[in-house]
Amino acid sequence: DVKVTQSSRYLVKRTGEKVFLECVQDMDHENMFWYRQDPGLGLRLIYFSYDVKMKEKGDIPEGYSVSREKKERFSLILESASTNQTSMYLCASSSGAIRETQYFGPGTRLLVL
Amino acid sequence: GQQVMQIPQYQHVQEGEDFTTYCNSSTTLSNIQWYKQRPGGHPVFLIQLVKSGEVKKQKRLTFQFGEAKKNSSLHITATQTTDVGTYFCAGRPGGSEKLVFGKGTKLTVNP
Repeated sequence: DVKVTQSSRYLVKRTGEKVFLECVQDMDHENMFWYRQDPGLGLRLIYFSYDVKMKEKGDIPEGYSVSREKKERFSLILESASTNQTSMYLCASSSGAIRETQYFGPGTRLLVL
Repeated sequence: GQQVMQIPQYQHVQEGEDFTTYCNSSTTLSNIQWYKQRPGGHPVFLIQLVKSGEVKKQKRLTFQFGEAKKNSSLHITATQTTDVGTYFCAGRPGGSEKLVFGKGTKLTVNP
């Protein structure tokens, strides 16, 4: 079974802090994704990566950056956390095949005070 | 950007009643996927439909892909409390390389 893990289930940070969310997958998947999930807004794509050291902006990249130095690891960085970034963050991975399904991690619930 | 619309946003049913959620796109979808997210959990893949007019069943769940490949539905017969959660559809409108998720339908079931 594919396993996608995220470094924290819950995180509390202060406004202005730099925040790192880590995601690791163990199935040698080429593609990795970061979403945020908010009530009534569904899943919104922040960034994605189709290969090591490659990144593409999703629908809401402002205030975020990402890093993919190794194939199995995809990090989401909040350069200066703000209260409107309080959310559930979900990482996902998929194989490189067309029509691939996405496998999600358990999520990190981030609270920015 | 390209959107995949999903309705209703919320649905509350009595146990034993049927439930349907609908997914629509203004452009052709190359495929449609359905995911379920239990309360407190993360989205889990249920099924993928690829062919025009395709119908697939998983026990009490029936998934359909429209003839024009622009809409899809998930129907649950005789809901049970274990069906509670949010159901998402996801597709690639207009040949987009990105998978676009609907906003989900949150199902609650009264025992």
